[in-house]
Amino acid sequence: AQSVTQPDIHITVSEGASLELRCNYSYGATPYLFWYVQSPGQGLQLLLKYFSGDTLVQGIKGFEAEFKRSQSSFNLRKPSVHWSDAAEYFCAVGRNTGFQKLVFGTGTRLLVSP
Amino acid sequence: ETGVTQTPRHLVMGMTNKKSLKCEQHLGHNAMYWYKQSAKKPLELMFVYSLEERVENNSVPSRFSPECPNSSHLFLHLHTLQPEDSALYLCASSQGSSYNSPLHFGNGTRLTVT
Repeated sequence: AQSVTQPDIHITVSEGASLELRCNYSYGATPYLFWYVQSPGQGLQLLLKYFSGDTLVQGIKGFEAEFKRSQSSFNLRKPSVHWSDAAEYFCAVGRNTGFQKLVFGTGTRLLVSP
Repeated sequence: ETGVTQTPRHLVMGMTNKKSLKCEQHLGHNAMYWYKQSAKKPLELMFVYSLEERVENNSVPSRFSPECPNSSHLFLHLHTLQPEDSALYLCASSQGSSYNSPLHFGNGTRLTVT
């Protein structure tokens, strides 16, 4: 069965510092991988996705993620964090079966200190 | 993001009440989803409709009853709920036939069962 692990429940980063959020997945085939962000009181917004090809994918708001098959990881990075990046981040894995069948991680809450 | 609209934003109901959550998508998608988001738990997929047919029902109690009258509208009818059903209910849509179509989420309905 597919699963997603986000080992960090909370992360605090100083504004302007770099960020890396970890995501490990378990999946039997080539996965589709996603990162979503959720601000308070909002739904989830797609940051980026990986289907195939280049293992370093660029997303919105200056985020990027790297797919490493050997480590079953899809970590999210940003070189310089802004206060507005404070939110909850969700990694998801799945496949398109005629609809998107996704399994989500439990999320990592990012706090940004001044 | 106004592509997926959910109403109401907040709902408080007693255990004997009957209420409905509404979702409308303006993206021309053909698949719609209900997810449940509880604190400290991964998003739980409840129901999926693809081309207005229910294609996924993840062991959801019968006190939750979905309805998809057309490809743009999705309802979740609620009756005799339990306090543990209090959660954020998220609606999403995608273009099921396209492998490159991720989920687009609404802002959710915060449900409190008293």
